Amino acid sequence: SSELTQDPAVSVALGQTVRITCQGDSLRSYYASWYQQKPGQAPVLVIYGKNNRPSGIPDRFSGSSSGNTASLTITGAQAEDEADYYCNSRDSSGNPPLYVFGTGTKVTVL
Amino acid sequence: QVQLVQSGAEVKKPGSSVKVSCKASGGTFSSYAISWVRQAPGQGLEWMGGIIPIFGTANYAQKFQGRVTITTDESTSTAYMELSSLRSEDTAVYYCARERYDSGTQYYFDYWGQGTLVTVSS
Repeated sequence: SSELTQDPAVSVALGQTVRITCQGDSLRSYYASWYQQKPGQAPVLVIYGKNNRPSGIPDRFSGSSSGNTASLTITGAQAEDEADYYCNSRDSSGNPPLYVFGTGTKVTVL
Repeated sequence: QVQLVQSGAEVKKPGSSVKVSCKASGGTFSSYAISWVRQAPGQGLEWMGGIIPIFGTANYAQKFQGRVTITTDESTSTAYMELSSLRSEDTAVYYCARERYDSGTQYYFDYWGQGTLVTVSS
């Protein structure tokens, strides 16, 4: 099965921009989705598809993709954005197709 | 508003089984797949398997093949995940999540349950 690799941790100054990347072969075939998870809480979908935000997700969150890499960008990071972020993709390397999560990135807002 | 409400925390002995439920409300249960995802303490998210209620056929991650069974009861809009032969490494929070897909290339989980802590300890 495929793997999705993320940097373990990144930090960003309040109000600045941070980009989180996710690499994996499955991203050549499928868009990534991105999830924010705060301590003790269930994950929350923040970006899906080419660059779609569910209702209620601030527009400072955006997504992009190129080749085998997907990115989540937070433009003007806020204190409440401090969380773990996971990418996810469909994985068709096996039969039947499955899902794979990235290793996760801890975002610290300074 | 779609809601997924899971059953409560469980404490199990090694070698036993656990069955976690996920009751859906506010949407058309049969039309969407439900996946199960787990998270061990301090670790990342791990997809275990999923099922489309209207078809009743489940797919499982290879790691859990033979140990996990995912089923649904359409009459109560409830999905179940049963994990057998429990070991200490199965201690984790187990989540259900509703799958969505658009245009064949966009797959995502739009609603999640609150999570169920399963503790495996002798």
